[in-house]
Amino acid sequence: GESVGLHLPTLSVQEGDNSIINCAYSNSASDYFIWYKQESGKGPQFIIDIRSNMDKRQGQRVTVLLNKTVKHLSLQIAATQPGDSAVYFCAEILNQGGKLIFGQGTELSVKP
Amino acid sequence: KAGVTQTPRYLIKTRGQQVTLSCSPISGHRSVSWYQQTPGQGLQFLFEYFSETQRNKGNFPGRFSGRQFSNSRSEMNVSTLELGDSALYLCASSFNSMNTEAFFGQGTRLTVV
Repeated sequence: GESVGLHLPTLSVQEGDNSIINCAYSNSASDYFIWYKQESGKGPQFIIDIRSNMDKRQGQRVTVLLNKTVKHLSLQIAATQPGDSAVYFCAEILNQGGKLIFGQGTELSVKP
Repeated sequence: KAGVTQTPRYLIKTRGQQVTLSCSPISGHRSVSWYQQTPGQGLQFLFEYFSETQRNKGNFPGRFSGRQFSNSRSEMNVSTLELGDSALYLCASSFNSMNTEAFFGQGTRLTVV
């Protein structure tokens, strides 16, 4: 398959700190990049997306940065809260659309 | 507005059997995609339908098939089940054809014994 299954990287942060979750994507032709949050027992939940012609986009408490030169995507979460604890996935959409290619995921753990 | 609904939530099947999973997208959404999630392989794309047509297919054997109905509801079928098919099967729906804001259901947890 296209998504390589590996041991999930983990990130542990203190409540109130900022979190940065990184992702390397594979295809330079990808048109859209999306971050998803998946809590235990639930399906992935859309957080924020960014088009390939942008390098930064901000949402509520979240910022996505895109570096096409090194094919790198990051998600910054400001003032991380216990409710942010989840697995975070980046995904890319190729220009033909309709197919999400997911990264391996990062498990974020927020300590109160 | 109701979210994406997948049924059943949990399923236990025996090797060699077949299974059909159902997905009802958000009202008005015409794109439905299916994904398999396992601890070893992560989230892998199975197929995507838009207005009853399969537009994209992932790298899965022919035992995995799907369809979409005129009301956008979708089903996926797995025949001759293998132990390795045990996974969480997720359905996502999207309003636009680019699938840029896909909403996922809670998934169907399939266990093959």
